[in-house]
Amino acid sequence: AQTVTQSQPEMSVQEAETVTLSCTYDTSESDYYLFWYKQPPSRQMILVIRQEAYKQQNATENRFSVNFQKAAKSFSLKISDSQLGDAAMYFCAYVLGGGADGLTFGKGTHLIIQP
Amino acid sequence: NAGVTQTPKFRILKIGQSMTLQCTQDMNHNYMYWYRQDPGMGLKLIYYSVGAGITDKGEVPNGYNVSRSTTEDFPLRLELAAPSQTSVYFCASSRIRGAVGNTIYFGEGSWLTVV
Repeated sequence: AQTVTQSQPEMSVQEAETVTLSCTYDTSESDYYLFWYKQPPSRQMILVIRQEAYKQQNATENRFSVNFQKAAKSFSLKISDSQLGDAAMYFCAYVLGGGADGLTFGKGTHLIIQP
Repeated sequence: NAGVTQTPKFRILKIGQSMTLQCTQDMNHNYMYWYRQDPGMGLKLIYYSVGAGITDKGEVPNGYNVSRSTTEDFPLRLELAAPSQTSVYFCASSRIRGAVGNTIYFGEGSWLTVV
């Protein structure tokens, strides 16, 4: 079974600074996808960024970028120029590319933005 | 543009009662999922469906049942509610299996308390 580990229960960053959230995963598969989801207090699940395992290039979405290290099974999220609206729970998730079963989530990292 | 709609948003159940969480999507997605999120945890897969008439168990199926009679609807049935089923429940859907080039869409969540 696949597992996703987020080793940082909570992170704090000053507004406008950069923060990196860590995620490692365990799988024996080669075809899979990785995601970061943001969950504000409303509990809505918001897709932040997606990475296909077959792509070597790291995904980027505006202020959000990932550092995908396939051999190390590491998938960290970097948030640049942190804003107050970035405060939320962040979940790393994995899904098998060829399978129909759903996402496997980590336990989440609570991100605090200090003004 | 409704996306994934869940009802009810909030419900309090007594131990031993039964209820159905409704989920409907208007995107003609084949794949639908039910997750639960316990406090301080990531989401865990309860059941999923790859199309009308086809369902399968996820990581935590005990105490739940599902059916998929149409493409649009994927209700989750709780029989004999127990306090351990107090959680936030999310329904999700995707166009094709896993997340190959596409996004998994989440509903807004249903908060269930069993007392």
